[in-house]
Amino acid sequence: EDQVTQSPEALRLQEGESSSLNCSYTVSGLRGLFWYRQDPGKGPEFLFTLYSAGEEKEKERLKATLTKKESFLHITAPKPEDSATYLCAVQAKGNYKLSFGAGTTVTVRA
Amino acid sequence: DAGITQSPRHKVTETGTPVTLRCHQTENHRYMYWYRQDPGHGLRLIHYSYGVKDTDKGEVSDGYSVSRSKTEDFLLTLESATSSQTSVYFCAISDPSGARETQYFGPGTRLLVL
Repeated sequence: EDQVTQSPEALRLQEGESSSLNCSYTVSGLRGLFWYRQDPGKGPEFLFTLYSAGEEKEKERLKATLTKKESFLHITAPKPEDSATYLCAVQAKGNYKLSFGAGTTVTVRA
Repeated sequence: DAGITQSPRHKVTETGTPVTLRCHQTENHRYMYWYRQDPGHGLRLIHYSYGVKDTDKGEVSDGYSVSRSKTEDFLLTLESATSSQTSVYFCAISDPSGARETQYFGPGTRLLVL
């Protein structure tokens, strides 16, 4: 069974204070690892897909990296508008279903 | 929300009452999914559809049924709602025709079963 564990559960940052979120996973053959952002009361919004170890993707202040066992979402010089819950999910080869972690809630104070 | 609407957005119902949630897409994507989201559990797949009239169970399908009579609509039915089905329900769509596909989510339906 595919498993995804995200840490920490919550992260409070000062504006400009860079940090990283962790997503550890076990899957029987990784097809893709997905990062989503979710604002309160809204549906998850797609951020990145990573397919193989060593791959990196960037979007504004966010950078996602992937190894064979985990992925990191780095937030560089965060702003209050980066406050959200960040979700990680994995998709196994031969399968269209996603297995999600419980998420990391990030709060950025001005 | 990638051309996905869900209705209703909020619903309060009583235990034992049947409830149907609707997901409508304008993207003509082949795959559609229903998830529920609960604190501490993340998103869990209830059912999914890989085409009109083609559906399959996810990891938490007990107490739920689905139907898809048109490409654009995917219905989730709680035959007899229970308090444990109080949750936020999300619909997602994807198009696996390419080598790599992403799931896009709707705005959600917040369901309270009293």
